[in-house]
Amino acid sequence: EVQLVESGGGLVRPGRSLRLSCAASGFTFSSFSMNWVRQAPGKGLEWVSLITSSGSLIYYSHSVRGRFTISRDNAKNSLYLEMNNLRAEDTAVYYCTREPPDYWGQGTLVTVSS
Amino acid sequence: QSVLTQPPSASGTPGQRVTISCSGSSSNIGSNSVNWYQQVPGTAPKVLIYSNNHRPSGVFDRFSGSKSGTSASLAISGLQSGDEADYYCAAWDDSLNAWVFGGGTQLTVL
Repeated sequence: EVQLVESGGGLVRPGRSLRLSCAASGFTFSSFSMNWVRQAPGKGLEWVSLITSSGSLIYYSHSVRGRFTISRDNAKNSLYLEMNNLRAEDTAVYYCTREPPDYWGQGTLVTVSS
Repeated sequence: QSVLTQPPSASGTPGQRVTISCSGSSSNIGSNSVNWYQQVPGTAPKVLIYSNNHRPSGVFDRFSGSKSGTSASLAISGLQSGDEADYYCAAWDDSLNAWVFGGGTQLTVL
């Protein structure tokens, strides 16, 4: 059974950093590209970033480019999102998904507030 | 403002058939396949339709998808109260190099 479990969310002050993790199981992680998708409270889904299976190709949305860094460790079946210079508008539930987005984790809430 | 355009709401009575539209452009729906997601508030999205019109195992055949040109549709037949949820369309956009989503359609079963 495919499982994606996000962790690392929490309350953080504007301008600070946070690192999210996603632990994958039930499939050959190293064969799949992966995404981060977020959802602000009461809002729709917003794609954040994609990383290919080897990590050789990475894409970011305009809203996070230059502040967020996606990475992966295929030996640990793990996906990461390093978030720097956080803003109030980054407040959201962050989901990791396989590519194309079929399986989704349960999400982890990031709240950026002073 | 979402790249893909969906109606914000839709409704129907039990047993009815409802459709939800999703309008895009040549760089997204016109070039790539469309996925549809169902999200019950407070839970993670679940894929209903992938590659325009394919249902994952476990998804009832009451749900169907179609695509024509730069638009796509999700149809739900035999509407049930359990179908009340938010529905999103999504496609890869070749110009943005990004997944783009519709703004979501809240389905109410009257």
